[in-house]
Amino acid sequence: GNSVTQMEGPVTLSEEAFLTINCTYTATGYPSLFWYVQYPGEGLQLLLKATKADDKGSNKGFEATYRKETTSFHLEKGSVQVSDSAVYFCALSDTSGTYKYIFGTGTRLKVLA
Amino acid sequence: SAVISQKPSRDICQRGTSLTIQCQVDSQVTMMFWYRQQPGQSLTLIATANQGSEATYESGFVIDKFPISRPNLTFSTLTVSNMSPEDSSIYLCSVPNGQGVTEAFFGQGTRLTVV
Repeated sequence: GNSVTQMEGPVTLSEEAFLTINCTYTATGYPSLFWYVQYPGEGLQLLLKATKADDKGSNKGFEATYRKETTSFHLEKGSVQVSDSAVYFCALSDTSGTYKYIFGTGTRLKVLA
Repeated sequence: SAVISQKPSRDICQRGTSLTIQCQVDSQVTMMFWYRQQPGQSLTLIATANQGSEATYESGFVIDKFPISRPNLTFSTLTVSNMSPEDSSIYLCSVPNGQGVTEAFFGQGTRLTVV
């Protein structure tokens, strides 16, 4: 079945450091891939998405590229800020028409000033 | 984008009781999904609720424990029955974008604590 494997956290970085959160997936067909973010005390928000191989999703300085050959969708940001402290979830959606989402376990990021 | 309202936003309940969570969407949607997020863990799909038919439950979840109603295309409820402390979680409803890209929108969640 479909699955998402995400690097474990927590990840602690200093402000302006480079961020990578690894995400790999297993799926049949061609799922859409997503990164969602959950800020403290808030609900899930879509951060970025990619729907086909080699697509690059980007938002708020974050980027992720859909790599079919390595079944990966790693999240990167060149310079993190304290306000980026949150939990990040990698997810894929079933493209068979059921629209079910499979989430990774989440990675908590803490950015220190 | 869809706007999803969930009620209540949080509750503290006694074990053995039941809580019904409401999810209201500002547009008509065919599918609605209910997820559970246990403390420190990821989201797990509980069931898919389609209007006009019975909900479809994922492995490990049963209708007797999590009955779902879907009376129309903008509303659904999830009941957590006969609660125990292990049911303490955040419960979220979700709807797909459905506009080609299968982006999902999530409600703010209901934080349930069972004591």
